[in-house]
Amino acid sequence: GNSVTQMEGPVTLSEEAFLTINCTYTATGYPSLFWYVQYPGEGLQLLLKATKADDKGSNKGFEATYRKETTSFHLEKGSVQVSDSAVYFCALGPYGGSQGNLIFGKGTKLSVKP
Amino acid sequence: DVKVTQSSRYLVKRTGEKVFLECVQDMDHENMFWYRQDPGLGLRLIYFSYDVKMKEKGDIPEGYSVSREKKERFSLILESASTNQTSMYLCASTGAYNSPLHFGNGTRLTVT
Repeated sequence: GNSVTQMEGPVTLSEEAFLTINCTYTATGYPSLFWYVQYPGEGLQLLLKATKADDKGSNKGFEATYRKETTSFHLEKGSVQVSDSAVYFCALGPYGGSQGNLIFGKGTKLSVKP
Repeated sequence: DVKVTQSSRYLVKRTGEKVFLECVQDMDHENMFWYRQDPGLGLRLIYFSYDVKMKEKGDIPEGYSVSREKKERFSLILESASTNQTSMYLCASTGAYNSPLHFGNGTRLTVT
């Protein structure tokens, strides 16, 4: 069945460091891919998405490219800030971008130190 | 701005009690979901609903039931709470095709 695997955390970085959080998926057909973020004490919120191969999602300085050949959707940011400290979830959904019944990865906790 | 409100932030219940977790959304969304979040396991779908009085089992429905009598409200019911149901419970909703999931802030339930 469909599944998502993301790198285990926690990840601890200094402010202005480069961030990569790896995410790979297993799916049939042409899924859509998402990154959600959960700040302390809050629910999840959509960070970015890509609905077809080679699409790049971007938001708040974060980027991720849908790579069908490597079944990956790695999250990157060139210069992290303390305010980026949160838990990041990679998620997989059906073709077209519908976000009902997403399959989530286990989450990666990021801590950014000043 | 879409708001998904979960009635309790923290809840402590005893084993065997019947527990109700309430979720209300204010954007007329058709689709509502209940997840539980556990360290090392991520989010797992318990139940979801695509319409009033309609419900579908998710990946881990055992020990839970749901109720959706009105479009804006989706309740999760633990018929007889057990200690292995101690967890963070997240409600979410989404409307039109291609719109994001909107989550509540969660209810941290402890069963003693």
